[in-house]
Amino acid sequence: GQQVMQIPQYQHVQEGEDFTTYCNSSTTLSNIQWYKQRPGGHPVFLIQLVKSGEVKKQKRLTFQFGEAKKNSSLHITATQTTDVGTYFCAGKSSNTGKLIFGQGTTLQVKP
Amino acid sequence: GAGVSQSPSNKVTEKGKDVELRCDPISGHTALYWYRQSLGQGLEFLIYFQGNSAPDKSGLPSDRFSAERTGGSVSTLTIQRTQQEDSAVYLCASSFYWADTQYFGPGTRLTVL
Repeated sequence: GQQVMQIPQYQHVQEGEDFTTYCNSSTTLSNIQWYKQRPGGHPVFLIQLVKSGEVKKQKRLTFQFGEAKKNSSLHITATQTTDVGTYFCAGKSSNTGKLIFGQGTTLQVKP
Repeated sequence: GAGVSQSPSNKVTEKGKDVELRCDPISGHTALYWYRQSLGQGLEFLIYFQGNSAPDKSGLPSDRFSAERTGGSVSTLTIQRTQQEDSAVYLCASSFYWADTQYFGPGTRLTVL
């Protein structure tokens, strides 16, 4: 069945360093969504990408959707302590229409 | 407007007891999802409801787990004969239509002693 893999599982960075998490699907996606879960909180929607090769920015966050619509990335420039949390991607299968969450990447930022 | 609400926020129970967890989705959302999240882990899909269609129960870990959604709104997740491995945060989410943007509730933290 469809799988969505995220790497790395954990990332520790020094405040001010950049951070990237990658999301890869075994099947083509019609869209991909990104969520952020703060420690002790619940996942909150960040953004959705739909088009092949699409790039969207939210302040220091840059989201990309691969040309083949099977992978995506989230890049954070100059991390801050407020970026701490777990970032989940969720891919919607082009075949089944199901939304499958990746396992998440947990980001720790050392001040 | 109001977001997704869940109750109780915390539940402590003894092994072997039954528990019911409640989810109130955002008004007008036709899809409702239940997930389980163990400490430091990802989201484990349990079940989802879409309108009046038969629910997708493919993620339920055992027949001790069941869920229903009454009137296309409120949902209840029931765990019978709870086991210690059922301890986790149970998250509910709703979306306007299935696989759309999901809005999560604050979760219910279940502890089975």
